[in-house]
Amino acid sequence: DADVTQTPRNRITKTGKRIMLECSQTKGHDRMYWYRQDPGLGLRLIYYSFDVKDINKGEISDGYSVSRQAQAKFSLSLESAIPNQTALYFCATSDPDIPGVSNQPQHFGDGTRLSIL
Amino acid sequence: GQNIDQPTEMTATEGAIVQINCTYQTSGFNGLFWYQQHAGEAPTFLSYNVLDGLEEKGRFSSFLSRSKGYSYLLLKELQMKDSASYLCARFSDYKLSFGAGTTVTVRA
Repeated sequence: DADVTQTPRNRITKTGKRIMLECSQTKGHDRMYWYRQDPGLGLRLIYYSFDVKDINKGEISDGYSVSRQAQAKFSLSLESAIPNQTALYFCATSDPDIPGVSNQPQHFGDGTRLSIL
Repeated sequence: GQNIDQPTEMTATEGAIVQINCTYQTSGFNGLFWYQQHAGEAPTFLSYNVLDGLEEKGRFSSFLSRSKGYSYLLLKELQMKDSASYLCARFSDYKLSFGAGTTVTVRA
């Protein structure tokens, strides 16, 4: 079983629709992240959360919102989808960093391929 | 983003060595990660450098020079399964910023 599970894996929808992408994890990590990946642009951070009561905007948060329902669940919503939000979306998790010692790697889900027509 | 530059594509022969370079903005830098991503799959963690020098993990090694804002990932004894995209990611302000990735194609 995957440690970081994203649903759905694929979604095709129309412009203007509201869409929710869900992410759940069994790793017990406090930190969770949403990225989108576009060809030639790499992964870009949309939102991140360091615990249930903490939500932060990333590099490209406009047009998106998130909800951290529990330590294990972090969902991403597109309130009114537009075609340029067509992309591959990844959820990731990590342990808190250890100050002065190390930064913890992020662990990614298998992605949601979203197409907006 | 964050001025992270790496080559777009590289091609090498099975059994050979390939070095993927990455340059990044040095201000606020706290560490450098490398990830591997096969087509259509999730990125997976390969290596992490925070101090200058070489970190070796089997066939893969990663090097960092903090003063130069430079890292490289070295893949030795290339295998066909190493054909993938390799992502350089800079850690700063509790977040990762990724380069666009280098697609490595291994030929028989």
